[in-house]
Amino acid sequence: GENVEQHPSTLSVQEGDSAVIKCTYSDSASNYFPWYKQELGKRPQLIIDIRSNVGEKKDQRIAVTLNKTAKHFSLHITETQPEDSAVYFCAASSGNTGNQFYFGTGTSLTVIP
Amino acid sequence: GAGVSQSPRYKVAKRGQDVALRCDPISGHVSLFWYQQALGQGPEFLTYFQNEAQLDKSGLPSDRFFAERPEGSVSTLKIQRTQQEDSAVYLCASSLEVGQVIFGPGTRLTVL
Repeated sequence: GENVEQHPSTLSVQEGDSAVIKCTYSDSASNYFPWYKQELGKRPQLIIDIRSNVGEKKDQRIAVTLNKTAKHFSLHITETQPEDSAVYFCAASSGNTGNQFYFGTGTSLTVIP
Repeated sequence: GAGVSQSPRYKVAKRGQDVALRCDPISGHVSLFWYQQALGQGPEFLTYFQNEAQLDKSGLPSDRFFAERPEGSVSTLKIQRTQQEDSAVYLCASSLEVGQVIFGPGTRLTVL
Protein backbone atom coordinates (compact mmCIF):
# COMPACT_ATOMS: atom_id res chain seq x y z
CA GLY A 1 0.00 0.00 0.00
CA GLU A 2 0.87 3.67 0.01
CA ASN A 3 3.34 5.08 2.52
CA VAL A 4 3.42 8.83 3.10
CA GLU A 5 6.26 10.38 5.05
CA GLN A 6 6.21 13.97 6.24
CA HIS A 7 8.84 16.24 7.71
CA PRO A 8 9.65 18.12 9.75
CA SER A 9 7.44 17.02 12.62
CA THR A 10 7.73 20.44 14.24
CA LEU A 11 8.54 23.80 12.71
CA SER A 12 8.88 27.24 14.29
CA VAL A 13 9.17 30.39 12.20
CA GLN A 14 9.10 34.09 12.86
CA GLU A 15 6.01 35.95 11.73
CA GLY A 16 6.48 37.06 8.14
CA ASP A 17 8.95 34.31 7.27
CA SER A 18 8.16 31.38 4.98
CA ALA A 19 7.43 27.82 6.06
CA VAL A 20 8.00 24.71 3.98
CA ILE A 21 6.70 21.23 4.76
CA LYS A 22 7.72 18.25 2.67
CA CYS A 23 6.11 14.89 1.99
CA THR A 24 7.12 11.82 0.04
CA TYR A 25 4.93 9.01 -1.17
CA SER A 26 5.63 5.51 -2.41
CA ASP A 27 2.78 4.50 -4.73
CA SER A 28 3.26 5.82 -8.25
CA ALA A 29 -0.50 5.34 -8.81
CA SER A 30 -1.28 8.14 -6.35
CA ASN A 31 -2.66 11.07 -8.27
CA TYR A 32 -4.26 13.43 -5.79
CA PHE A 33 -2.44 15.22 -2.97
CA PRO A 34 -4.39 17.37 -0.51
CA TRP A 35 -3.09 19.33 2.45
CA TYR A 36 -5.10 19.70 5.61
CA LYS A 37 -4.76 22.17 8.47
CA GLN A 38 -5.91 21.00 11.88
CA GLU A 39 -6.18 23.34 14.83
CA LEU A 40 -6.21 21.88 18.31
CA GLY A 41 -9.41 19.97 18.97
CA LYS A 42 -10.87 20.76 15.56
CA ARG A 43 -11.45 18.86 12.35
CA PRO A 44 -8.90 18.75 9.55
CA GLN A 45 -9.67 21.48 7.03
CA LEU A 46 -8.64 21.20 3.39
CA ILE A 47 -6.44 24.18 2.51
CA ILE A 48 -5.07 23.28 -0.90
CA ASP A 49 -4.77 20.28 -3.16
CA ILE A 50 -2.95 19.29 -6.32
CA ARG A 51 -3.47 16.62 -8.92
CA SER A 52 -0.72 14.72 -10.66
CA ASN A 53 -1.21 16.47 -13.97
CA VAL A 54 -0.10 19.76 -12.40
CA GLY A 55 3.34 20.70 -11.05
CA GLU A 56 2.42 23.68 -8.93
CA LYS A 57 -0.66 25.36 -7.55
CA LYS A 58 -0.98 28.61 -5.67
CA ASP A 59 -3.70 30.18 -3.54
CA GLN A 60 -2.73 33.52 -2.05
CA ARG A 61 -0.01 32.81 0.54
CA ILE A 62 -0.16 29.05 0.11
CA ALA A 63 1.42 27.03 -2.67
CA VAL A 64 1.96 23.35 -3.29
CA THR A 65 4.53 21.79 -5.61
CA LEU A 66 4.60 18.23 -6.90
CA ASN A 67 7.50 16.26 -8.34
CA LYS A 68 6.03 13.03 -9.72
CA THR A 69 9.38 11.60 -10.72
CA ALA A 70 10.79 11.95 -7.25
CA LYS A 71 7.42 11.22 -5.62
CA HIS A 72 7.47 14.21 -3.36
CA PHE A 73 5.30 17.23 -2.81
CA SER A 74 5.66 20.29 -0.63
CA LEU A 75 3.56 22.95 1.03
CA HIS A 76 4.86 26.50 1.04
CA ILE A 77 3.37 29.19 3.24
CA THR A 78 4.70 32.71 2.69
CA GLU A 79 4.37 35.76 4.94
CA THR A 80 3.35 33.55 7.84
CA GLN A 81 0.94 34.87 10.44
CA PRO A 82 0.23 33.66 14.00
CA GLU A 83 -3.10 32.24 12.84
CA ASP A 84 -1.19 29.88 10.56
CA SER A 85 -0.08 28.02 13.70
CA ALA A 86 -1.61 24.54 13.55
CA VAL A 87 -0.80 20.96 12.61
CA TYR A 88 -0.57 20.39 8.87
CA PHE A 89 -1.12 17.00 7.28
CA CYS A 90 -0.30 15.94 3.76
CA ALA A 91 -2.11 13.06 2.13
CA ALA A 92 -1.97 10.97 -1.00
CA SER A 93 -4.76 9.20 -2.79
CA SER A 94 -5.36 7.23 -5.94
CA GLY A 95 -8.66 6.57 -7.60
CA ASN A 96 -7.71 2.91 -7.62
CA THR A 97 -8.13 2.77 -3.86
CA GLY A 98 -11.59 4.23 -3.89
CA ASN A 99 -10.36 7.62 -2.85
CA GLN A 100 -8.76 6.25 0.30
CA PHE A 101 -6.36 8.80 1.72
CA TYR A 102 -3.03 8.00 3.28
CA PHE A 103 -1.95 10.72 5.65
CA GLY A 104 1.45 11.85 6.78
CA THR A 105 2.19 12.08 10.48
CA GLY A 106 1.74 15.83 10.62
CA THR A 107 3.84 18.94 11.10
CA SER A 108 3.17 21.18 14.06
CA LEU A 109 3.80 24.73 12.83
CA THR A 110 4.29 27.56 15.30
CA VAL A 111 4.48 31.12 14.03
CA ILE A 112 6.16 33.35 16.58
CA PRO A 113 4.80 36.91 16.65
CA GLY B 1 -26.82 19.99 5.98
CA ALA B 2 -24.04 22.46 5.44
CA GLY B 3 -21.30 20.13 6.58
CA VAL B 4 -20.49 16.69 7.89
CA SER B 5 -21.87 16.19 11.39
CA GLN B 6 -21.04 13.53 13.94
CA SER B 7 -22.57 12.46 17.21
CA PRO B 8 -21.87 12.19 19.99
CA ARG B 9 -18.95 14.62 20.06
CA TYR B 10 -17.57 12.97 23.19
CA LYS B 11 -18.09 9.47 24.48
CA VAL B 12 -16.73 7.88 27.61
CA ALA B 13 -17.09 4.12 27.81
CA LYS B 14 -16.07 1.54 30.32
CA ARG B 15 -13.84 -1.19 29.03
CA GLY B 16 -15.98 -3.93 27.53
CA GLN B 17 -18.90 -1.69 26.62
CA ASP B 18 -20.24 -1.41 23.08
CA VAL B 19 -20.40 2.03 21.46
CA ALA B 20 -22.05 3.40 18.33
CA LEU B 21 -20.81 6.52 16.59
CA ARG B 22 -22.96 8.31 14.04
CA CYS B 23 -22.02 10.28 10.95
CA ASP B 24 -24.29 12.48 8.84
CA PRO B 25 -22.46 13.25 5.60
CA ILE B 26 -23.10 16.21 3.36
CA SER B 27 -26.33 15.59 1.48
CA GLY B 28 -25.66 13.98 -1.89
CA HIS B 29 -22.10 12.95 -1.10
CA VAL B 30 -21.59 9.49 -2.50
CA SER B 31 -18.36 8.59 -0.73
CA LEU B 32 -18.06 8.25 3.04
CA PHE B 33 -14.97 7.45 5.05
CA TRP B 34 -14.16 6.64 8.65
CA TYR B 35 -10.76 7.50 10.07
CA GLN B 36 -9.21 6.96 13.48
CA GLN B 37 -6.90 9.66 14.82
CA ALA B 38 -4.79 8.93 17.87
CA LEU B 39 -3.35 11.84 19.85
CA GLY B 40 -0.53 13.51 17.95
CA GLN B 41 -0.95 11.32 14.89
CA GLY B 42 -2.40 11.68 11.43
CA PRO B 43 -5.77 10.15 10.60
CA GLU B 44 -5.64 6.42 9.88
CA PHE B 45 -8.06 4.96 7.37
CA LEU B 46 -10.68 2.54 8.71
CA THR B 47 -13.30 2.00 6.03
CA TYR B 48 -14.90 3.46 2.91
CA PHE B 49 -18.44 3.43 1.50
CA GLN B 50 -19.69 4.32 -1.91
CA ASN B 51 -23.40 4.86 -1.38
CA GLU B 52 -24.50 1.88 0.72
CA ALA B 53 -21.73 -0.42 -0.43
CA GLN B 54 -18.75 -0.88 1.84
CA LEU B 55 -15.98 -1.10 -0.72
CA ASP B 56 -13.00 -1.17 1.57
CA LYS B 57 -12.78 -2.17 5.21
CA SER B 58 -9.12 -3.04 5.23
CA GLY B 59 -8.32 -0.48 7.93
CA LEU B 60 -10.66 -1.82 10.58
CA PRO B 61 -8.29 -2.96 13.34
CA SER B 62 -10.27 -5.98 14.49
CA ASP B 63 -13.58 -7.78 14.13
CA ARG B 64 -14.82 -5.70 17.07
CA PHE B 65 -15.18 -2.81 14.62
CA PHE B 66 -18.16 -2.73 12.32
CA ALA B 67 -19.51 0.00 10.06
CA GLU B 68 -22.68 0.32 8.07
CA ARG B 69 -24.44 2.78 5.79
CA PRO B 70 -27.70 0.98 4.98
CA GLU B 71 -29.42 3.70 2.96
CA GLY B 72 -26.39 5.36 1.49
CA SER B 73 -26.51 8.43 3.70
CA VAL B 74 -26.08 8.20 7.48
CA SER B 75 -23.35 5.86 8.66
CA THR B 76 -22.71 4.20 12.01
CA LEU B 77 -19.40 2.92 13.30
CA LYS B 78 -19.86 0.35 16.03
CA ILE B 79 -17.14 -0.85 18.35
CA GLN B 80 -17.90 -3.90 20.45
CA ARG B 81 -16.23 -4.77 23.76
CA THR B 82 -14.22 -1.55 23.75
CA GLN B 83 -10.59 -1.66 24.86
CA GLN B 84 -8.37 1.14 26.12
CA GLU B 85 -6.42 1.15 22.87
CA ASP B 86 -9.64 2.14 21.07
CA SER B 87 -9.43 5.58 22.69
CA ALA B 88 -9.04 8.08 19.86
CA VAL B 89 -10.89 10.62 17.81
CA TYR B 90 -13.04 8.99 15.15
CA LEU B 91 -13.39 11.18 12.10
CA CYS B 92 -16.00 10.77 9.44
CA ALA B 93 -15.52 12.38 6.03
CA SER B 94 -17.51 12.55 2.82
CA SER B 95 -16.93 13.59 -0.74
CA LEU B 96 -18.92 14.10 -3.89
CA GLU B 97 -16.16 13.23 -6.28
CA VAL B 98 -12.58 12.14 -6.25
CA GLY B 99 -10.79 14.54 -3.98
CA GLN B 100 -12.31 17.37 -1.96
CA VAL B 101 -12.95 15.20 1.08
CA ILE B 102 -14.67 17.11 3.87
CA PHE B 103 -14.20 16.01 7.47
CA GLY B 104 -16.68 16.06 10.30
CA PRO B 105 -15.77 17.37 13.78
CA GLY B 106 -15.04 13.89 15.08
CA THR B 107 -16.11 11.87 18.09
CA ARG B 108 -13.59 11.70 20.89
CA LEU B 109 -13.85 8.25 22.45
CA THR B 110 -12.28 7.60 25.83
CA VAL B 111 -12.29 4.05 27.13
CA LEU B 112 -11.64 3.76 30.84
